[in-house]
Amino acid sequence: DGGITQSPKYLFRKEGQNVTLSCEQNLNHDAMYWYRQDPGQGLRLIYYSQIVNDFQKGDIAEGYSVSREKKESFPLTVTSAQKNPTAFYLCASSTNRYNEQFFGPGTRLTVL
Amino acid sequence: SQELEQSPQSLIVQEGKNLTINCTSSKTLYGLYWYKQKYGEGLIFLMMLQKGGEEKSHEKITAKLDEKKQQSSLHITASQPSHAGIYLCGAGLNNAGNMLTFGGGTRLMVKP
Repeated sequence: DGGITQSPKYLFRKEGQNVTLSCEQNLNHDAMYWYRQDPGQGLRLIYYSQIVNDFQKGDIAEGYSVSREKKESFPLTVTSAQKNPTAFYLCASSTNRYNEQFFGPGTRLTVL
Repeated sequence: SQELEQSPQSLIVQEGKNLTINCTSSKTLYGLYWYKQKYGEGLIFLMMLQKGGEEKSHEKITAKLDEKKQQSSLHITASQPSHAGIYLCGAGLNNAGNMLTFGGGTRLMVKP
């Protein structure tokens, strides 16, 4: 079945560590997105990518990094520079920037 | 303040009652998307509205986009416990194909 998968579902990190969240899609979508969700604040865009080997910063990119080496994959690295990384992270994809976005199940990151 | 304001932030209704959630912007909405989210999970697409005055329905959920394309409402008729969750609106706020901006969400609880 086509869809978006994210792993792991839960992730615990010690302060000072970098962690990488996985996002894979088999929908043949060109565009992929990473959002952060905090209680009561909706979704905030971290990074997005329209095509392979290209990505752009969103509204809250500081402390995060991404890569887009394959169309199917858009991993997000939360670096130690991110001061408040505890949040729910959602990955999405779409056929292009204008269309409906399909979301993965999310990864909950907790910093210990 | 957020570019997309949702109201109310939370709502508790008795099963069988009708309810309305609003999504308001100070800018013209270019494509308005309604999503539903169960706590700790990804977003499920409900409906998309593009034209001023457009109205769409799916089962007991109806969404409208006002003529000026600056406000959308989501109406649930005869609510059921299965309707409980977080409802988010997302919209393009730039006719050049900007990323989706999301509202803060409305948390709905339906008491049996």
